[in-house]
Amino acid sequence: DSGVTQTPKHLITATGQRVTLRCSPRSGDLSVYWYQQSLDQGLQFLIQYYNGEERAKGNILERFSAQQFPDLHSELNLSSLELGDSALYFCASSVNPDRLNTEAFFGQGTRLTVV
Amino acid sequence: DAKTTQPPSMDCAEGRAANLPCNHSTISGNEYVYWYRQIHSQGPQYIIHGLKNNETNEMASLIITEDRKSSTLILPHATLRDTAVYYCIVRVESNTGKLIFGQGTTLQVKP
Repeated sequence: DSGVTQTPKHLITATGQRVTLRCSPRSGDLSVYWYQQSLDQGLQFLIQYYNGEERAKGNILERFSAQQFPDLHSELNLSSLELGDSALYFCASSVNPDRLNTEAFFGQGTRLTVV
Repeated sequence: DAKTTQPPSMDCAEGRAANLPCNHSTISGNEYVYWYRQIHSQGPQYIIHGLKNNETNEMASLIITEDRKSSTLILPHATLRDTAVYYCIVRVESNTGKLIFGQGTTLQVKP
């Protein structure tokens, strides 16, 4: 158990809908990262938050947004869903991204299926 | 970003040591080498990381060459549960800490 909690574990929804994925970081971790892994694809970095502020942005679509709340949990919002958005979505957390010598720990992911 | 090169796949006999190589010839002086693994669509699992010295923990050992251009992850006694995709990552951007994953090595441990 990495200490990072993601909910829900599975989500099935229709095209055009909107969903929210939730992530609770490890206790004491201030930074949260979101990654997307499509079928047979690698892990693609989407976005990072640190202590409530956006820190880095990757290949995140405009239909997707995220935020980190004062209690440090994070939500990834996916809207106008398309079939191609079906993927595993992982959240990771780390204590201090300013240090190069710092590992990140991943949750078990949310499997999103768009039908 | 520093690039890594890993063989796409490797086999290992159960109970034997698994040695997974990684080339990172463009690594910068302050960049760490990180290893993660992903078991069948589970969340990536942190294994070990190092800068220039060899490192060992309860999961594995990391051997980094003196010129830091390559490294080897060693699983001393591989089990069937070690079958996974292993990722070598050498780019952790300062002030973001994000990890850039490559394609990794699929390790198949066979009985």
